[in-house]
Amino acid sequence: GDSVTQMEGPVTLSEEAFLTINCTYTATGYPSLFWYVQYPGEGLQLLLKATKADDKGSNKGFEATYRKETTSFHLEKGSVQVSDSAVYFCALAGASKIIFGSGTRLSIRP
Amino acid sequence: DAGVTQSPTHLIKTRGQHVTLRCSPISGHKSVSWYQQVLGQGPQFIFQYYEKEERGRGNFPDRFSARQFPNYSSELNVNALLLGDSALYLCASSLGRGGLGDTQYFGPGTRLTVL
Repeated sequence: GDSVTQMEGPVTLSEEAFLTINCTYTATGYPSLFWYVQYPGEGLQLLLKATKADDKGSNKGFEATYRKETTSFHLEKGSVQVSDSAVYFCALAGASKIIFGSGTRLSIRP
Repeated sequence: DAGVTQSPTHLIKTRGQHVTLRCSPISGHKSVSWYQQVLGQGPQFIFQYYEKEERGRGNFPDRFSARQFPNYSSELNVNALLLGDSALYLCASSLGRGGLGDTQYFGPGTRLTVL
């Protein structure tokens, strides 16, 4: 069945470091892919999404490209800030199900 | 504009009891989805409803059921509660036209503890 495999955390980086959080998926058909984020004390919210192969989603300096050939949707940011500390979830939406990864906790040191 | 609201915030039940959780979507949204999130894990999809019809269902037993009302609000019902049902239950709303590929807007959740 469909699944999402996400890089395990926690991940700790220094401010201004480059960030990559890996996400790979297995799916039948052509799912939409998402990154959701949960900041401390807040609810889950959409960070970015891509609905078809080669689409790039971007928001708040974060980017992810829908790679069908490698079944991946890795999250990247060129220079992280302390305010990026949060839990990040990769997700896949098919015709009748949505599947979330287990989440990656990111901590940024000043 | 108000976001997705859920009630109650917290709930404590004992094994074998029944529970009803409620969700009100963002105004104009016609789809509601329910998720179970166990501590340290990602949300697990339970149901999606659109225009009062079930559109999607996750791998949950028949003890879990839901419905959507004409005003698009929704209830999640869980019968014969088990200890393993203890979790944060999240509701999300979306416009609904794009199915599960629509952006989901999440509520704050209901924390259910089963003793």
